[in-house]
Amino acid sequence: LAKTTQPISMDSYEGQEVNITCSHNNIATNDYITWYQQFPSQGPRFIIQGYKTKVTNEVASLFIPADRKSSTLSLPRVSLSDTAVYYCLVGPFTGGGNKLTFGTGTQLKVEL
Amino acid sequence: GAVVSQHPSWVICKSGTSVKIECRSLDFQATTMFWYRQFPKQSLMLMATSNEGSKATYEQGVEKDKFLINHASLTLSTLTVTSAHPEDSSFYICSAPREQQFQETQYFGPGTRLLVL
Repeated sequence: LAKTTQPISMDSYEGQEVNITCSHNNIATNDYITWYQQFPSQGPRFIIQGYKTKVTNEVASLFIPADRKSSTLSLPRVSLSDTAVYYCLVGPFTGGGNKLTFGTGTQLKVEL
Repeated sequence: GAVVSQHPSWVICKSGTSVKIECRSLDFQATTMFWYRQFPKQSLMLMATSNEGSKATYEQGVEKDKFLINHASLTLSTLTVTSAHPEDSSFYICSAPREQQFQETQYFGPGTRLLVL
């Protein structure tokens, strides 16, 4: 599984856009990029998943450059409730259950 | 959306006893489920892969005789921590993959907090 590297922590203020970049230099051709959010004492929650270019949903956007060696999770206009740990994961779609290897994640702290 | 539940949400037990944690996929079937453990301020660590109808596969360093996994049906996997000790106190989380539109998404349970006294 491709190893990922993210910043350990980030600080922001309410209303700002937050961009969290993840490096995955060894990403394989059949790997997808998935981001999860985790609040304390809760299981991770799926945010967004993509393979290339740009993906957008009601929560976030995911930007993936052509070489796919990195990806950026973009959270528009964050609020205090977005304070959480964000994990970037890379792995193949096996169709039978894909083992996920979690890295350190990025602790995002949003302040007033 | 897909929902995965866990029961109990928290449990306190005495050292030496066994504790069973259930993981259910509520609105989809899962032939494979995963069990993770998370210590405070740390990331999730995969413990084992639960396979319906066959034996679980364990990650390196995880004692299969201590952490018994049974995938009884397509919607239920159980993790039993046998002869629990204080060092087994942790946050246990399960997940189940769901295939949708040629992509696979892992849905996680809310977690079970285990405290061994």
